[in-house]
Amino acid sequence: DAKTTQPNSMESNEEEPVHLPCNHSTISGTDYIHWYRQLPSQGPEYVIHGLTSNVNNRMASLAIAEDRKSSTLILHRATLRDAAVYYCILRDVGGRGGSNYKLTFGKGTLLTVNP
Amino acid sequence: DAGVIQSPRHEVTEMGQEVTLRCKPISGHDYLFWYRQTMMRGLELLIYFNNNVPIDDSGMPEDRFSAKMPNASFSTLKIQPSEPRDSAVYFCASSFVGIPGTQYFGPGTRLLVL
Repeated sequence: DAKTTQPNSMESNEEEPVHLPCNHSTISGTDYIHWYRQLPSQGPEYVIHGLTSNVNNRMASLAIAEDRKSSTLILHRATLRDAAVYYCILRDVGGRGGSNYKLTFGKGTLLTVNP
Repeated sequence: DAGVIQSPRHEVTEMGQEVTLRCKPISGHDYLFWYRQTMMRGLELLIYFNNNVPIDDSGMPEDRFSAKMPNASFSTLKIQPSEPRDSAVYFCASSFVGIPGTQYFGPGTRLLVL
């Protein structure tokens, strides 16, 4: 599986934007970039995904580098409820036999939001 | 929709006892996943099913662990016999086929083996 590298932790202030980086220098052409987050004492939840173009949804934006070797999850205005571990995951949709549905979670980035 | 349902939410047992964790996926989802999360190892995929058939069980730690999916709306993860090192939070997730294949996670079962 292609690997991702994220900072262990980041800190932000409430109401400010947050940029969470992810490096994935060995990404392949069939890898989608997924972001999940895990709030304290909960299961992970989907945030956003993308392949080549930047993506926006109600939760966040995903900016993907032109060479696809890195991406950034953007929370436009952090709230206290955004404090969580954020995981950047590559999902290979080119696999056979259902293997492309696997998600391999790394350690993620622990985001702390200060009031 | 109620989301993915797991039971029990908490389980405390003694070493050597059998433990059964249960999961009800979201109706209509084709895939079901079992994960384990510990501080040391993070979130690990144990096994996953497609249309009730196990596809990849390479993450199952050893023969003491087994998982079944007798029908589309129910799955179990069994540990027999349990050991203290099995203490962890066990998550079940389900997803539709296709892209993005978003996985929806249950609230988890917190297992403590004494």
